[in-house]
Amino acid sequence: DAGVIQSPRHEVTEMGQEVTLRCKLISGHNSLFWYRQTMMRGLELLIYFNNNVPIDDSGMPEDRFSAKMPNASFSTLKIQPSEPRDSAVYFCASSLQLSTDTQYFGPGTRLTVL
Amino acid sequence: GQQVMQIPQYQHVQEGEDFTTYCNSSTTLSNIQWYKQRPGGHPVFLIQLVKSGEVKKQKRLTFQFGEAKKNSSLHITATQTTDVGTYFCAIKAAGNKLTFGGGTRVLVKP
Repeated sequence: DAGVIQSPRHEVTEMGQEVTLRCKLISGHNSLFWYRQTMMRGLELLIYFNNNVPIDDSGMPEDRFSAKMPNASFSTLKIQPSEPRDSAVYFCASSLQLSTDTQYFGPGTRLTVL
Repeated sequence: GQQVMQIPQYQHVQEGEDFTTYCNSSTTLSNIQWYKQRPGGHPVFLIQLVKSGEVKKQKRLTFQFGEAKKNSSLHITATQTTDVGTYFCAIKAAGNKLTFGGGTRVLVKP
């Protein structure tokens, strides 16, 4: 049974470029969470969805960040334009239901913005 | 919002020794979870504690939830090099979202 799949695993881009991170949920899971991890700020929740609907985006740092869930199994996190301070590891995680506490994390995307 | 503090931030342990990491909240918690993240890896769920005073064991790992449900501890006995990583506690805040502590980074000296 495949776990959460993220792509790309590594992304290096220049400041001002658009970056799109992708996530495929575990089959049958209904909730999707995007996190950002840095040494300074630790693991931060950016946004989460339940049944394709965004529930809470209060963790999204600014309007340059947007996330979508076009179908039940797939999500994207877009940064436009990217800035060096966006450099971090971005994880998505899924859970069976929103009320189900166990979250399964993907391998992460390491983003470097030069 | 609701926050959780983890101490210590770093733990250097001699292989074979025991250590404990703590997670503290100022408010009463409904439950608490523990995750482990290996270097270069992603957080992996270890366990969830729900009941006051609950103790759960996974091999050499012992997890405890405080009687007042405001703190939790993770105790590892006979530390091995495979225990290297960062251990996070996480609490459920409003809206079913998890808030993670800052983590305890464990380094094992062989």
